[in-house]
Amino acid sequence: DIQMTQSPSSLSASVGDRVTITCRASQNIKTSLNWYQQQPGKAPKLLITSASNLRSGVPSRFSGSGSGTDFTLTISSLQPEDFATYFCLQSYNTPIYNFGQGTKLEIK
Amino acid sequence: QVPFVQSGAELKKPGASVKVSCEASRYTFANYALHWVRQAPGQRLEWMGRINGGDGNTKYSQSFQGRLTITRDTSVGTAYMELSSLTSADTGVYYCARTGFCSSYSCLAPHFDDWGPGTQVTVSS
Repeated sequence: DIQMTQSPSSLSASVGDRVTITCRASQNIKTSLNWYQQQPGKAPKLLITSASNLRSGVPSRFSGSGSGTDFTLTISSLQPEDFATYFCLQSYNTPIYNFGQGTKLEIK
Repeated sequence: QVPFVQSGAELKKPGASVKVSCEASRYTFANYALHWVRQAPGQRLEWMGRINGGDGNTKYSQSFQGRLTITRDTSVGTAYMELSSLTSADTGVYYCARTGFCSSYSCLAPHFDDWGPGTQVTVSS
């Protein structure tokens, strides 16, 4: 299995801050990396596919980058609705999927 | 309109089985694969397995092999996840999620773009 490691596990920030979350794969997954946002008690919501493709309807303050083993999700200016848990998903080794452990973004 | 409708919360005793349904309410079921993903308390999301809506082909995570059965009924556009020999470690929220059609080696549009709302399964004596 491909292991996905996110950092940090939790993060405190303020509205307007720029934040970056990192996801590292245990082997080369090219750009087969997706990012999700999950609000408490809700299903995950797809934000970014193939490392850097913003899903239609997702605000442009979200961006993704990376390839190979190292990937980042950046939120350029935090809004109140962005405080949630974010996790990555590798789709290189389908039909087997592996998720990151999640990063909880909290209000400072 | 939500893309999926999942069955309601379940409370099961250890050793029992649970069957959760996921109805595709907004798209042509046969054109996609439906996956099941578990979120146990304090744990990362875990992919369990999937079924193609069209040909019924299935693939299971080795972690659940032998305990998990995924089926579908195309007449009602619904997939089912049945997990047997339940223990407390199976407590969690079970989601269905969609990708494109899956072959034995890969899935089209392999990211989960739409998810069901989740079904809480609690295993307790």
